[in-house]
Amino acid sequence: GAVVSQHPSRVICKSGTSVKIECRSLDFQATTMFWYRQFPKQSLMLMATSNEGSKATYEQGVEKDKFLINHASLTLSTLTVTSAHPEDSSFYICSARRGQENTEAFFGQGTRLTVV
Amino acid sequence: AQSVTQLGSHVSVSEGALVLLRCNYSSSVPPYLFWYVQYPNQGLQLLLKYTTGATLVKGINGFEAEFKKSETSFHLTKPSAHMSDAAEYFCAVFPRDSSYKLIFGSGTRLLVRP
Repeated sequence: GAVVSQHPSRVICKSGTSVKIECRSLDFQATTMFWYRQFPKQSLMLMATSNEGSKATYEQGVEKDKFLINHASLTLSTLTVTSAHPEDSSFYICSARRGQENTEAFFGQGTRLTVV
Repeated sequence: AQSVTQLGSHVSVSEGALVLLRCNYSSSVPPYLFWYVQYPNQGLQLLLKYTTGATLVKGINGFEAEFKKSETSFHLTKPSAHMSDAAEYFCAVFPRDSSYKLIFGSGTRLLVRP
């Protein structure tokens, strides 16, 4: 089966610093990757969609300059939370879609970000 | 806009009892339909999906779901609950358009009583 690896699983950072989260498709090429944010006991909120080699498409209300997304290769996408603040603390999950026709998305394990 | 409704934020069943988690979608064109399970502090695992063909879909861990177009529903069932089934369950749809975005329901937390 398709495996998506997300790293780190947990990170604690100080206010004002930046944090990078990696999302890798280990055994397939991901033409599209998605980044979600999940608040406690809530559903997943799509933040942005990224296609390899092009700029990410952000959902309404998501700050592009705060949440930098890079999809430099077909197996790697990164989310950088810049100048993090305590309100950015959340669970971030990536998913990857294999090919244009495949309807299934595979999810990473998630990253618990705590900003202190 | 496409939406997904999961009735009941919490469902509690006894071990061995039937599990029924409800999901309805709003769309004139049936989307692709998915059920995912999430354990604490983990990502999502696909339980099953419906894209085309047989409307009764069998998934992992003994779960199954039936697509009913007339009811715009895709309810998830399991004949006999196990303690290990306690988790958060999300219904999701993938519209048959060019958006390529999964739309999630609000989730249902399944509690299994011994």
